[in-house]
Amino acid sequence: QKEVEQDPGPLSVPEGAIVSLNCTYSNSAFQYFMWYRQYSRKGPELLMYTYSSGNKEDGRFTAQVDKSSKYISLFIRDSQPSDSATYLCAMSAETVVIGGGTSYGKLTFGQGTILTVHP
Amino acid sequence: NAGVTQTPKFQVLKTGQSMTLQCAQDMNHEYMSWYRQDPGMGLRLIHYSVGAGITDQGEVPNGYNVSRSTTEDFPLRLLSAAPSQTSVYFCASSRGLVGNTQYFGPGTRLTVL
Repeated sequence: QKEVEQDPGPLSVPEGAIVSLNCTYSNSAFQYFMWYRQYSRKGPELLMYTYSSGNKEDGRFTAQVDKSSKYISLFIRDSQPSDSATYLCAMSAETVVIGGGTSYGKLTFGQGTILTVHP
Repeated sequence: NAGVTQTPKFQVLKTGQSMTLQCAQDMNHEYMSWYRQDPGMGLRLIHYSVGAGITDQGEVPNGYNVSRSTTEDFPLRLLSAAPSQTSVYFCASSRGLVGNTQYFGPGTRLTVL
């Protein structure tokens, strides 16, 4: 079983719809939760970042984390054709501090959900 | 800032050939990493580095080597290419875990025949 599971879709919705994207995970050590957006033939770009549980809103985007259920969601309100992309969830455990105070955390990605918003 | 740059954009290799994928960043980031992206598999970590001279393996390191002699550059070497290494390769960098905003390059599409 993969540490992070994400429904690959594809998901097709009409313009203006509310979109819900979800990921589940099995590693209870994950504390940092991210959503990346990737347009076709481009590198991923960070969309939302959340630490621990709770909600975070940024414009039309809302990220939710439910650590008790090991479940995260990304909601897109009033979806636009420009939102058509692949959405990847990513997670990381607590930082590991090594000599000199450098901290890092490896990201584990979901498989990505392909979203198409049609006019 | 150019951000994260990768060369080449496309490459075709024959089985057994070796090559180096180049990655450079001009943001003075400590943390750099290499991922491969395959259909239905998401992004999988190959190798990463937390600073010049410090590297470690990720999830799928076999068949790949890395080194980090400068903060800016993090090349990925394929020692003896195999068809299973056909993939899109992304390099990423970040200042650290704070926000863990990883900036990704545009990718290299590699085909091994």
